[in-house]
Amino acid sequence: SQQGEEDPQALSIQEGENATMNCSYKTSINNLQWYRQNSGRGLVHLILIRSNEREKHSGRLRVTLDTSKKSSSLLITASRAADTASYFCATDPYNQGGKLIFGQGTELSVKP
Amino acid sequence: NAGVTQTPKFQVLKTGQSMTLQCAQDMNHNSMYWYRQDPGMGLRLIYYSASEGTTDKGEVPNGYNVSRLNKREFSLRLESAAPSQTSVYFCASSPPLATSRYYEQYFGPGTRLTVT
Repeated sequence: SQQGEEDPQALSIQEGENATMNCSYKTSINNLQWYRQNSGRGLVHLILIRSNEREKHSGRLRVTLDTSKKSSSLLITASRAADTASYFCATDPYNQGGKLIFGQGTELSVKP
Repeated sequence: NAGVTQTPKFQVLKTGQSMTLQCAQDMNHNSMYWYRQDPGMGLRLIYYSASEGTTDKGEVPNGYNVSRLNKREFSLRLESAAPSQTSVYFCASSPPLATSRYYEQYFGPGTRLTVT
């Protein structure tokens, strides 16, 4: 069963613009993680936010978590063509032994 | 460090054939995972191993078996391949537990499998 649902499924923006992706989930979690996947490659971990955190920053990435709404957002500021990739949220639900559940992903295209 | 390595990168099988996908990590991680990725489905967990000598089923284990050969290696076997197993397979590992929470997962480059 899919825990995370991501929105939008696809996003196309110009270089320099900000990109926002959203993730909703269904059950209580220990943490939520965001990953990037370049075409034909494996996933790369970007950032982890714990259930008791509301916002986290890493470089041009900003992640928010609202546990009352069971939702998270990933903001990429000042996007670059190299940010073109698929982005996945993954939740670590309570009582699941740390097994992550991945969303379906948002495909981001940043045009030069 | 090579991180997580997977072999082969590509494979074509006929229905009913068997094969083993190999995965190894050199980061001294305890936990290892096998996922499949299908278009529009995200990643789905097939099997995982919390530590050497233990394995457990994930969301979609049917048609697969695994072996945690040692701390470094975790293999996935398809005993009788079916077209529905056409997918991209990813192996991942994660560091030891701390404060009862898992950390991030590190992924291999994937194996693209086609079953005809």
